[in-house]
Amino acid sequence: EVQLVQSGAVVKKPGESLQISCEGFGYTFNFYWIGWVRQMPGKGLEWMGIIYPADSDTIYSPSFQGQVTISADKSNRTAYLQWNSLKASDTAMYYCARIGPYYFDRDNAFDIWGQGTMVTVSS
Amino acid sequence: EIVLTQSPGTVSLSPGERATFSCRASQSLSNSKYLAWYQQKPGQAPRLLISGASNRATGIPDRFSASGSGTDFTLTISRLEPEDFAVYFCQHYGGSLPGTFGQGTKVEI
Repeated sequence: EVQLVQSGAVVKKPGESLQISCEGFGYTFNFYWIGWVRQMPGKGLEWMGIIYPADSDTIYSPSFQGQVTISADKSNRTAYLQWNSLKASDTAMYYCARIGPYYFDRDNAFDIWGQGTMVTVSS
Repeated sequence: EIVLTQSPGTVSLSPGERATFSCRASQSLSNSKYLAWYQQKPGQAPRLLISGASNRATGIPDRFSASGSGTDFTLTISRLEPEDFAVYFCQHYGGSLPGTFGQGTKVEI
């Protein structure tokens, strides 16, 4: 079964660093773009950026450029979303999602979604 | 950056009724096929319904259909089932990224 499995919910304090993960199963992870999507409490979906694990080519939304780092470890079939210094406004559900259903193709929709990782930032 | 505006924000309907939602782009999409629709139920991740403006994803019932081009796109549910009460998002993807989402339409009973 094709699926993305994300790391569990976390609670952090402002200023702390954090990395959350997204592991792919059941398909050739390296050759599909993976994206991250933010959903703040009670709000809509925001496209943060995407990465191609085979060569780590990464594209950020201007809204998130410099605020987070997207990376991937192709040997572990895992994508990551990282913050160096969290803010209370980073409190949200974060989803990873695969662009599919074709290899290499960046010009397609998110066809497989992870279950989401809830990040709470509070002092 | 393209802005997608969905309407209505919330719609109240009954099972068996027809539902139609709109997604309007701030500028004509470079490729009208780069438009997707997602369904999100409370406490769940979004699920892809439609890509390529009108192509149903695997396993999506044929009561869901979509159409449109340029700046105006529509999602239709021919007869609402109880499990269809959810929030629906449109998304522009590919081409000139980022892949923006609309703000969503909530379908409630």
